[in-house]
Amino acid sequence: EPEVTQTPSHQVTQMGQEVILRCVPISNHLYFYWYRQILGQKVEFLVSFYNNEISEKSEIFDDQFSVERPDGSNFTLKIRSTKLEDSAMYFCASSRTRTGNTEAFFGQGTRLTVV
Amino acid sequence: DAKTTQPNSMESNEEEPVHLPCNHSTISGTDYIHWYRQLPSQGPEYVIHGLTSNVNNRMASLAIAEDRKSSTLILHRATLRDAAVYYCILRDGKTSYDKVIFGPGTSLSVIP
Repeated sequence: EPEVTQTPSHQVTQMGQEVILRCVPISNHLYFYWYRQILGQKVEFLVSFYNNEISEKSEIFDDQFSVERPDGSNFTLKIRSTKLEDSAMYFCASSRTRTGNTEAFFGQGTRLTVV
Repeated sequence: DAKTTQPNSMESNEEEPVHLPCNHSTISGTDYIHWYRQLPSQGPEYVIHGLTSNVNNRMASLAIAEDRKSSTLILHRATLRDAAVYYCILRDGKTSYDKVIFGPGTSLSVIP
């Protein structure tokens, strides 16, 4: 069964450092998403991406965040200068379409720890 | 976004059926009812979705009320692996809607 793959599974970084989280969406999917989940809290939407541009972003997704699809398979989330409060699980998701009749597939997540 | 209401937590005995309720009284005619679950330390996982008719798949069944203002996710025989947070989510069937929005969900505990 196809799946969304995320690397690394765990990343520890020092405050102020840049970090790049990587995702390989399902190959025939066109819509890509990043979510985050702070420990003990709900899953929060960050950004959606289609046709090489951001289609929607939340208030959390400020200028410190960026996304990119550098080639035909990878989808990355960059945090330019990490803060302690960026510590969370980050989930990538993809879907074939963006209509409500389609399911989204999520990766297993990257646990980001900022120290 | 149309809202859903779920109980915070539920318990079930292993090998018994589980009925997880969801209220969505403000659902619109084009909203699909989706269920996702999140096992401990894992990413959300799609379970099932439907519009008006009841739906079955290998994981679960979805029973949708005739007025569509509520639905029930049915796990026919709970296993320990079904212990998870279950999210009932409405997604607009029109092309403009773009993302899955998670609420707090129902935390299901399965007792051996």
